[in-house]
Amino acid sequence: DADVTQTPRNRITKTGKRIMLECSQTKGHDRMYWYRQDPGLGLRLIYYSFDVKDINKGEISDGYSVSRQAQAKFSLSLESAIPNQTALYFCATSDTQGIGELFFGEGSRLTVL
Amino acid sequence: EDQVTQSPEALRLQEGESSSLNCSYTVSGLRGLFWYRQDPGKGPEFLFTLYSAGEEKEKERLKATLTKKESFLHITAPKPEDSATYLCAVQARLGTYKYIFGTGTRLKVLA
Repeated sequence: DADVTQTPRNRITKTGKRIMLECSQTKGHDRMYWYRQDPGLGLRLIYYSFDVKDINKGEISDGYSVSRQAQAKFSLSLESAIPNQTALYFCATSDTQGIGELFFGEGSRLTVL
Repeated sequence: EDQVTQSPEALRLQEGESSSLNCSYTVSGLRGLFWYRQDPGKGPEFLFTLYSAGEEKEKERLKATLTKKESFLHITAPKPEDSATYLCAVQARLGTYKYIFGTGTRLKVLA
């Protein structure tokens, strides 16, 4: 089983709908992140969390919200999806010290029509 | 401003044809430089971390090196299974949550 699991893997929705992407991890890491990947733009940080009580905005948080339900679970919500939120979304974790590599999930491909 | 630039954007090699990918970076104090491999539709897979200029890491046909301004990912005698997008990222000493990613190099190795 993957250390970082994302659901759903693929989702097609319509403009204005609420969408939740879920992430769970078995690495025991405190730090969790949500990134968005678009062709030619690289990976951009949406939100990050250092522990259950700590949530922080990244560089592109507008239109998104998150919930850290437990150390191992971090969800990303689009309250009212719009077409330019069509992208590949990745959840990632890193160790408590914040030193070292990110561990990524397999990604959630979201299409907003 | 912290920045990572990767070149070339795309690279086609014949099987066995060695080459190098470049990652140039500007960061206010480097904490670490990371190389990832990403297959289509998949999450980035960690390859190497480099922490200081002069450091080198190797794994199979891949070798990563680091200077104060750039990193190279050398691919020796590549095989078709090495085809992927290779991402470079840096982490600054200040703000340890922040990983700055390049846009990647798409590598295609032809049999």
